[in-house]
Amino acid sequence: AQKVTQAQTEISVVEKEDVTLDCVYETRDTTYYLFWYKQPPSGELVFLIRRNSFDEQNEISGRYSWNFQKSTSSFNFTITASQVVDSAVYFCALSPPPGALTFGSGTRLQVQP
Amino acid sequence: GAVVSQHPSWVICKSGTSVKIECRSLDFQATTMFWYRQFPKQSLMLMATSNEGSKATYEQGVEKDKFLINHASLTLSTLTVTSAHPEDSSFYICSAPGGDFNTGELFFGEGSRLTVL
Repeated sequence: AQKVTQAQTEISVVEKEDVTLDCVYETRDTTYYLFWYKQPPSGELVFLIRRNSFDEQNEISGRYSWNFQKSTSSFNFTITASQVVDSAVYFCALSPPPGALTFGSGTRLQVQP
Repeated sequence: GAVVSQHPSWVICKSGTSVKIECRSLDFQATTMFWYRQFPKQSLMLMATSNEGSKATYEQGVEKDKFLINHASLTLSTLTVTSAHPEDSSFYICSAPGGDFNTGELFFGEGSRLTVL
C-alpha cells in the first residue's frame, strides 16, 4: 500500500519569509514518481514538479526548490521569499507508473502581506 | 490551453437526478484515465481507473452502480453520478497519463464541481 503524509495542516507566514512544506511517503515499489501540486481556491490543480525515484538530485525553479531524500522517504518543498500569490493548498502525491496518484492530505499555506 | 478538459466545470442538480461529467484528452490519446473526488477541505481520493474498451476498476468503497464510468473512445471518459444525493456533492477531477506511461507525466482536467440540492 502507498501512503503520503503531510503533517502540516496549515502554515501561516508573512510575505518574504521562507517556508518549507514537508512530505513523507511510503511505498514498496522500486519505481515510482513523486509530485507536488498547488491548488488555488478555484480548485484547478497546478502542476509544480514530478520526480522519479531514481533521480535524487535536488531541483530549483525560481523561488521553488525541492529536496528529495530517498533515505528518509521525504520530498520536501521550499518556497523562498514567499508572496501572497503563493497562498493555496499544496499537495504532495505519489504514483507508480502509469499514474494513479495517492495524495497527501494537503498543506494550506497562507502568506500574509 | 489545457490538454485534458472536463465538462461541465460546475453543475447544480436536484436530488435523485443523474449527472454526467466528461473528461476529454484534447491532443493525445488516453487508454487510461483516472477519476478523483475531493470533498471540501479534504484531499483528492482516487475513485476509479477508466479503461478504454473495458470495464473501469473501482477503488474500495466506491459504488460502481452509482458512479458509472464509460471510456468509449481514446479521448473521452465519462463519469455519471446516478440518482445523486447531497452527500455526492463534491469536486470531481480526472487525469490522464500523457504519452509514455513510464515517464510518469500526468495531465489533470480543470475539475467539475457538483452540488446536489
